[in-house]
Amino acid sequence: GAVVSQHPSWVICKSGTSVKIECRSLDFQATTMFWYRQFPKQSLMLMATSNEGSKATYEQGVEKDKFLINHASLTLSTLTVTSAHPEDSSFYICSARRTGSTVGYTFGSGTRLTVV
Amino acid sequence: AQKVTQAQTEISVVEKEDVTLDCVYETRDTTYYLFWYKQPPSGELVFLIRRNSFDEQNEISGRYSWNFQKSTSSFNFTITASQVVDSAVYFCALSDARGGANSKLTFGKGITLSVRP
Repeated sequence: GAVVSQHPSWVICKSGTSVKIECRSLDFQATTMFWYRQFPKQSLMLMATSNEGSKATYEQGVEKDKFLINHASLTLSTLTVTSAHPEDSSFYICSARRTGSTVGYTFGSGTRLTVV
Repeated sequence: AQKVTQAQTEISVVEKEDVTLDCVYETRDTTYYLFWYKQPPSGELVFLIRRNSFDEQNEISGRYSWNFQKSTSSFNFTITASQVVDSAVYFCALSDARGGANSKLTFGKGITLSVRP
């Protein structure tokens, strides 16, 4: 079945540094990728929708200059958390919508980011 | 705007009990999809089911069953003879069927299910 590979699975970084999270669709072309953030014991909140070759669409309240999304190819989308702060510590998950599939959306395994 | 309500936040049962997780949704769309996902402690989302708004047949898959009631905008999930491995957070979600690849998923807040041996 369709697989989205997300790396790294966890990362610890120092406050003020940037972290890049990658999501690759392994056996299909993902024209659209969704990025979610999940705080402990909370639901998944959509941060942005990225389309290959165009600028991402950010949800209200999400800082586009802080969460840089690049979707340069049909199989790779990246989320860069710039100048990370402890409040950015969260679980980040990507998802690709695969039209025609029975499951509709394929999720990465998530990245647990801890900023110290 | 779309909305998914999972009123139950935490449920604790003893193994072999049946448990029903409730989901109520709101949408103005006539065509939409409903989903259930399981999120174990490891964090990944495990797909359980997708249901088209035009298909009101209930579905059974092993110990899992789903009851879709369009009249009450509910899509409830029942686990029969629960097992410890069923312990996880369960999310109900809704997407529209209009926008093709850009259709977004709206998640409920999730229900934490604990199954005690």
